[in-house]
Amino acid sequence: DTGVSQDPRHKITKRGQNVTFRCDPISEHNRLYWYRQTLGQGPEFLTYFQNEAQLEKSRLLSDRFSAERPKGSFSTLEIQRTEQGDSAMYLCASSFHGLLNYEQYFGPGTRLTVT
Amino acid sequence: AQRVTQPEKLLSVFKGAPVELKCNYSYSGSPELFWYVQYSRQRLQLLLRHISRESIKGFTADLNKGETSFHLKKPFAQEEDSAMYYCALSGQGGSQGNLIFGKGTKLSVKP
Repeated sequence: DTGVSQDPRHKITKRGQNVTFRCDPISEHNRLYWYRQTLGQGPEFLTYFQNEAQLEKSRLLSDRFSAERPKGSFSTLEIQRTEQGDSAMYLCASSFHGLLNYEQYFGPGTRLTVT
Repeated sequence: AQRVTQPEKLLSVFKGAPVELKCNYSYSGSPELFWYVQYSRQRLQLLLRHISRESIKGFTADLNKGETSFHLKKPFAQEEDSAMYYCALSGQGGSQGNLIFGKGTKLSVKP
C-alpha cells in the first residue's frame, strides 16, 4: 500500500459534460474525505464518509455533485453538467478514526479543467 | 464561524534566519490544530499537530488559546524548508471529520 491514490490525475472536459473521479484510500482507513482546492486557496472540505456512510456534506457540494463509497473502500466523486467554476484540484484524504489519531493522509489530487 | 487565517501569502528569508509562520483561528469549542506542508510536486502531508507537542524537522508550534494562535517556528531555516505551509483546524478535539484550512503561506528560503 503506497498511500492514497487518485485517478485520473488530470482531466480536461468541456462545459456541460459529466466527470467522475476515483479515490482509493489507505486500506485500513475507515474515513475518506473529499476536498477542493482552487488557485491561491487552501483545501476546502466537500464531504466525508465513515465506512460507507456519508456523514457530512459542505454547502459547497451543490446538487450537481455526488459522492459514493459503496463498500466502504474506494470512493467516487461525480460532477454533472460541469461549469468553468468547477475547475480546481480535487483532493482525497483518508484516516483511521480511532483513539486520538485523526491524521488525514492526502492523495496527489485530480486536476480538473473545464473549457 | 470556524475560520483559519494565515496573514502572509509569501514569506522570504535567508538560510539560517529564524522563521515564524503565523496562524490565527476562530472556533468556539475545543479545536485541534495542525500544520500541513506541501513541497514542490509532492502531496500535502502533516508536519505537526498541537496535541503531540513534537518538534518535526526543527519546527515547533504552540497553541495559544488566549490569542487563538498556532504559529509555526523554526530557529534556523534551511533551503529544503521552502514549501507551501497550511494551518488547519479540526473541531471537537479532533473528532470532527473535516479540516478547515487557511489559505497557506509560501515559504522561500534563499541561500
